[in-house]
Formats: sequence, C-alpha cells, structure tokens
Amino acid sequence: RKEVEQDPGPFNVPEGATVAFNCTYSNSASQSFFWYRQDCRKEPKLLMSVYSSGNEDGRFTAQLNRASQYISLLIRDSKLSDSATYLCVVNARSQGNLIFGKGTKLSVKP
Amino acid sequence: GAGVSQSPRYKVAKRGQDVALRCDPISGHVSLFWYQQALGQGPEFLTYFQNEAQLDKSGLPSDRFFAERPEGSVSTLKIQRTQQEDSAVYLCASSLNNHFRETQYFGPGTRLLVL
Repeated sequence: RKEVEQDPGPFNVPEGATVAFNCTYSNSASQSFFWYRQDCRKEPKLLMSVYSSGNEDGRFTAQLNRASQYISLLIRDSKLSDSATYLCVVNARSQGNLIFGKGTKLSVKP
Repeated sequence: GAGVSQSPRYKVAKRGQDVALRCDPISGHVSLFWYQQALGQGPEFLTYFQNEAQLDKSGLPSDRFFAERPEGSVSTLKIQRTQQEDSAVYLCASSLNNHFRETQYFGPGTRLLVL
C-alpha cells in the first residue's frame, strides 16, 4: 500500500464548477501536509499547506482529519487556469523529505 | 530572485553510460533534496543533504546512484551504468532550513531518457 493515496482522476469539469480532491495517508506519525500543483512538464509548486483547523486561500480550501488520516482540497468556481495535476503531500519525518501521492489530474473545460 | 536551477534540462544516454545531473539550490538554503519522478507518478524521494552532510540516502534505488554536495551548495546526482528503468525526471528541491514545515522549492528537473 502506498503511503499517500489519491483519487485516480482525471476530473473533467466545466468552468465555474466546484471540485473536491481527497487523499489518505498511512503513517500516523505524519507531521505536515501540503497540496502541490504540477503543470504539464513543469516542476511541482506549493499550492497550500494544510492545517488541522482547515485553511482557505481564495477559491481553495484544504481540510485535514488526523483521526481518519484524510486530507481534502476543494476548488470553487473553477478556472481554465486551474487545469493541472494536484499532488497530495505529507512529511512523515522531521528532517523534511516529502512523500507524494500519485496526483490527480484536473481538466477545466470552457 | 533566482530559483533552483538544474542542468542539463534534457539528457539522452545509451544504456551503460554514466550521467551527472547538477542542481544549484537557492542561495543560502541549507537543505537540498533529490526526487525521481517516473511518468504518471508523483515524485519519489531519493536523498537529502543538510549543508554538505548527506543525512538520508534511503531512497536511492541502487548503488549505481550517488549524490554529493561537497561545499554545501551545488549538488550533483550521478548515475553509473544507466539502465532503461532509470528514465525519469530528476527533480531537485531546496529549503531554507530543515524544519518539517519549511516550503521546498523545486527546480525544473532534468529529463533523463536511457535508450
């Protein structure tokens, strides 16, 4: 079983739709949680960190449920520019190396 | 300011060749990470440096893979006797310190194709 598992995707949604991605992680000792965005043939870039209290950044809302070892990302009012692969990422050790999920591809259509 | 840079951006190697991939982290960043990303997969951890010390190399897939960061800035990932399964994008990331919440900044990657 992979340490971080994500919805298989792809998600094909129209502009303006709300879309949610889910992720589970297996290591209960995981200490920090992130969503990264990766455009085609580009490097991953941090979208947002995820905190236990939940956090919001504009149209993006991330939630963490430590008891269920579950992370979510909600995107409201999808834009064409949101089309990318979204990577769920955890950090299980204090030294900092990241553990990535396989990624979920989002395609927003006009 | 300058981000993480990697070179070469693309490398085609014949099976059995040795390759060297370079990473220039953001100036002043203490931590440096190498990841391998196969097609359709998320990046997977290879190795980690704190300054010049290689603190974790548990992700290196075989003894053909070797990384160094002799002066605590530029790092080189070397792959000896390349195999077809080594074909992937090799990503370098750096962070200001080794705190687990610290943001990692990724370079554009080196796309390696082994024929």
